[in-house]
Amino acid sequence: DAEITQSPRHKITETGRQVTLACHQTWNHNNMFWYRQDLGHGLRLIHYSYGVHDTNKGEVSDGYSVSRSNTEDLPLTLESAASSQTSVYFCASSGGTSGTTDTQYFGPGTRLTVL
Amino acid sequence: QKEVEQNSGPLSVPEGAIASLNCTYSDRVSQSFFWYRQYSGKSPELIMSIYSNGDKEDGRFTAQLNKASQYVSLLIRDSQPSDSATYLCAAPSTGGFKTIFGAGTRLFVKA
Repeated sequence: DAEITQSPRHKITETGRQVTLACHQTWNHNNMFWYRQDLGHGLRLIHYSYGVHDTNKGEVSDGYSVSRSNTEDLPLTLESAASSQTSVYFCASSGGTSGTTDTQYFGPGTRLTVL
Repeated sequence: QKEVEQNSGPLSVPEGAIASLNCTYSDRVSQSFFWYRQYSGKSPELIMSIYSNGDKEDGRFTAQLNKASQYVSLLIRDSQPSDSATYLCAAPSTGGFKTIFGAGTRLFVKA
């Protein structure tokens, strides 16, 4: 069965360190998204990609970067982790084409703590 | 920027009652809407999508869309304790494949 996975599921790091969160999907979806979820803020879009070599900034992109070298993976990098980046991170993918927005399938999430 | 707004709740209903979850949106262009359910500590999952004005029923769930009023709702009939979760309303962004999510409404169904 197709799925979307994230690793690690839990991560504790220190302020200033570089951290990379992995996201891998086997749906063969063109569209991939990274969100963070914090109490009181719901899901906030960090970065997204509509295909290989395409990346776009979301509403809370400062301090984060992504790259898309293949269809299956969209790693999220925190260049210099800050305590404000402590959150739960969700990766999602969708197969929307021709201007339509399709269902998003979410990974299980990564709980990141920055000390 | 399109806004999708929900009452954060919590909404508490007794088992067997109808739970009514509401959502308003600011973009008159929106053509489709989604309801996602998120259990505590889990990821969101789609439970309903609706594209046309009126009602759409799927088992115990009914989505209602009123484009003129920019209002979409989710009714859960015969609510069960297993329905206790956060329900996220979502709408597509204009001109792309992004989805704008509301902050979610927490539902508690009391046994």
